[in-house]
Amino acid sequence: NAGVTQTPKFRVLKTGQSMTLLCAQDMNHEYMYWYRQDPGMGLRLIHYSVGEGTTAKGEVPDGYNVSRLKKQNFLLGLESAAPSQTSVYFCASSPGDLGQENTGELFFGEGSRLTVL
Amino acid sequence: GQNIDQPTEMTATEGAIVQINCTYQTSGFNGLFWYQQHAGEAPTFLSYNVLDGLEEKGRFSSFLSRSKGYSYLLLKELQMKDSASYLCAVMDSNYQLIWGAGTKLIIKP
Repeated sequence: NAGVTQTPKFRVLKTGQSMTLLCAQDMNHEYMYWYRQDPGMGLRLIHYSVGEGTTAKGEVPDGYNVSRLKKQNFLLGLESAAPSQTSVYFCASSPGDLGQENTGELFFGEGSRLTVL
Repeated sequence: GQNIDQPTEMTATEGAIVQINCTYQTSGFNGLFWYQQHAGEAPTFLSYNVLDGLEEKGRFSSFLSRSKGYSYLLLKELQMKDSASYLCAVMDSNYQLIWGAGTKLIIKP
């Protein structure tokens, strides 16, 4: 069971270049999230999705776009990369509505380390 | 604003007990989570508290006091593999997770 898979794991970009991070989950989860993690700071939510075809902005959405065309995939795009976007990006998923069997626990991918020069 | 506070770093000895505190101020409360994150790896779920009291799971226990906006994670019989960062997160009234910066736990032999 692969869980949540992110590609690529590492990437170096030059300022102004574009790229897409792919997240895939095989747990049939409704909710998917993109976070960034920077030293000395908590995880910050970039965008999230509560189901196929839906997306919403999180805490730090500027400079990023997302798409959820298929339930199992959640793509994060950087149209014009900036050095401030150097970070480790984590994708996560959760089953969806809270209930007796769902506490809202997130399942994370292994992370994608992005450096923008 | 919303805020989660936890110590930046703690050191403990193998075999000992350590308590990692987390205080929070959020807009509403729908549960508190603890995650473990080893260096260079993804966070993994440890515990969830939504009611006051202590939840025990093996060597790890988590406590919550909603009236005080306070939680702690207690790790017993520390092992070298427990060296990691421990992340506290609170689910607010909009069911969004607010994350602390994490506590780096260093275990010494």
